[in-house]
Amino acid sequence: DQQVKQNSPSLSVQEGRISILNCDYTNSMFDYFLWYKKYPAEGPTFLISISSIKDKNEDGRFTVFLNKSAKHLSLHIVPSQPGDSAVYFCAALSGNTGKLIFGQGTTLQVKP
Amino acid sequence: DTGVSQDPRHKITKRGQNVTFRCDPISEHNRLYWYRQTLGQGPEFLTYFQNEAQLEKSRLLSDRFSAERPKGSFSTLEIQRTEQGDSAMYLCASTGQGPGVEQFFGPGTRLTVL
Repeated sequence: DQQVKQNSPSLSVQEGRISILNCDYTNSMFDYFLWYKKYPAEGPTFLISISSIKDKNEDGRFTVFLNKSAKHLSLHIVPSQPGDSAVYFCAALSGNTGKLIFGQGTTLQVKP
Repeated sequence: DTGVSQDPRHKITKRGQNVTFRCDPISEHNRLYWYRQTLGQGPEFLTYFQNEAQLEKSRLLSDRFSAERPKGSFSTLEIQRTEQGDSAMYLCASTGQGPGVEQFFGPGTRLTVL
């Protein structure tokens, strides 16, 4: 039962262009959604979050959009930089304990 | 703020052996989580501590797994009678009572069971 899904295993974009990473979820009770970035041999690093009562949150080059009716969120990175190349995970905050439920991840490659 | 640390970073063991991992959260973070990540998957929740109390355990946490946080600071995760299917990256994360919801992850312990 995969409650959070990232259906694109990989994405390749040119430096300076927009990267759009997508995520779908099934549980309408999730309160928050988060995006993490992960480099090899490191733990996930928090990027940005969004409350379920919002539809957009922006932080510098990163913007997350939430469409509750479609149970879909996306992360936009503009402009993309080679240092953004990493695995990106979408996660949902679940329950009173605040545990995170992660998607499978999308590997982003930004080409110079 | 030194971040979340985990020890060891890598562990290779033979099937049937016991292993123990340690996590030191960010100081004064009262919430601590353990996750497991296998190749090509996102991290999966294992267990949660608030201070020294273990408040939730995943179905993934079989009887061979035990976790402790005796003084509400560092935590240990022990796997008894390891199996090849236990090979994974074990991640620890912590968070405090501030306004943010993000969890801060350590670098992980990579376990290989031969």
